[in-house]
Amino acid sequence: EVQLVESGGGLVQPGGSRRLSCAVSGFSFSSYWMGWVRQAPGKGLEWVANIKQDGSEKNYVDSVKGRFTISRDNAKNSLYLQMYSLRAEDTAVYYCVRDRDAYTYFDHWGQGTLVTVSS
Amino acid sequence: DIQMTQSPSTLSASVGDRVTITCRASQSISDWLAWYQQKPGKAPNLLIYKASSLERGVPSRFSGSGSGTEFTLTISSLQPDDIATYYCQQYKSYSGGTFGQGTKVEVK
Repeated sequence: EVQLVESGGGLVQPGGSRRLSCAVSGFSFSSYWMGWVRQAPGKGLEWVANIKQDGSEKNYVDSVKGRFTISRDNAKNSLYLQMYSLRAEDTAVYYCVRDRDAYTYFDHWGQGTLVTVSS
Repeated sequence: DIQMTQSPSTLSASVGDRVTITCRASQSISDWLAWYQQKPGKAPNLLIYKASSLERGVPSRFSGSGSGTEFTLTISSLQPDDIATYYCQQYKSYSGGTFGQGTKVEVK
């Protein structure tokens, strides 16, 4: 069974940082592009970042470029999102997602982890 | 950037009704479109990809159609378990694609 389990969410002050993790099981992690999608409270879905199988290619939505870094550890079957200079508008549930086939759609989602940016 | 517009924003229907949700792209995306279902408090779930391909395990009452700029998601006979918000996503122009704003389906 495919499982994606996020952790690391919580309350953080504006300007602060946070690292999200996603532990993966049930499939060959190193064979897939992976990504993060977020959802602000009561709002729609927004793709945040994705990363190639070997980590050699990474992409970000404009609003997080220079502040967020996506990475992966294929030996640990884990995906990460390091977030810096957090803003109130980054408050959201962050979902770890598996990309079916490079730059396509997301066929598996984690349960999400809530990041709240507030003083 | 490609913009995706869904209509309606909210839909009220009775159990057993045929339900149709529309998604329009600001430019042609061929058939590079996916549909997701999101129940309250849960993660989204993939229903349809490549505009009309049903994801494994998804009930056959769900279907997708369209190409170019106009797409539809149809539920042939609405069931209580289908109460959710539905999102379309284009993946022609990446990175990460663009989601529609969502359509909330309620029971009348």
